[in-house]
Amino acid sequence: QLVLTQSPSASASLGASVKLTCTLSSGHSSYAIAWHQQQPEKGPRYLMRLNSDGSHSKGDGIPDRFSGSSSGAERYLTISSLQSEDEADYYCQTWGTGFVLFGGGTKLTVL
Amino acid sequence: QVQLVESGGGVVQPGGSLRLSCAASEFTFSSYGMHWFRQAPGKGLEWVAVIYYDGSKKYYTDSVKGRFTISRDNSMNTLYLQMNSLRAEDTAMYYCARDRVRYCGGDCHEIDYWGQGTLVTVSS
Repeated sequence: QLVLTQSPSASASLGASVKLTCTLSSGHSSYAIAWHQQQPEKGPRYLMRLNSDGSHSKGDGIPDRFSGSSSGAERYLTISSLQSEDEADYYCQTWGTGFVLFGGGTKLTVL
Repeated sequence: QVQLVESGGGVVQPGGSLRLSCAASEFTFSSYGMHWFRQAPGKGLEWVAVIYYDGSKKYYTDSVKGRFTISRDNSMNTLYLQMNSLRAEDTAMYYCARDRVRYCGGDCHEIDYWGQGTLVTVSS
C-alpha cells in the first residue's frame, strides 16, 4: 500500500537550514512526489516536483533557498537561510491514476 | 497568473446539500484536470475528487462516493462539487486545485496551483 510518512514537527533557527523528510512506503521508492507549503490561515502553495533521481523542478516564484533531493525511498526538502515566513506546514504529495495522496505534514517552527 | 477562486461554502444541517464552485482564470481551463481537496479543522490535506480535462473520467475518495459529484463547465471555466447527504465529518475547508500536466490521461496528478478555499460546516 502506498503511504507517505512525514515527521509531525521540525524546528530550526532563523538564518539556519533545515531538511524535511518524506518517506515512501516499501515497494514505491521510484515514485515522484511534490512538496507543498501551507502558511497559517492560507491555502497551500506548490513548491516543487521531486523525482526519484533527485532532479527537481520548482514552481513559479519559489526562491532558490528551497531545494529538493532524494535517496532511495526518502524525499527531502531543504530550506536554507530560514526566514520567519518559512514557518508553515509542509506536505509531500504523490499520485497515481485517479488518486492523490498526501503525507501527514510537518509543522516547521522557525526559532 | 493562474487564479482559482472557490465559492459556495456555508453552514448546512446534517443530511443537507451544498454546491461548491471554483472559477478559473488566466489559463486554458479545458486543458487541465481539476481536483477538490479538503482540510478538516486542525488536520492535514485530503484529496476528495478529480475530473479529467475533458470530463471523461472522474474519481472519488471512498468516503464521498455516492454522495459527492464533481463536474466542470469548460465553456464557463468553472469546476463544481455537488455535495449531498452531508455529514458532520465533511466539515472542512474545501480547495480546488489544478493538475500541472496538460491533457493528463492517467497517472499525472502533480498539483501546481491551489485556490484559497471555501469553508463548509455541517452542523445542526
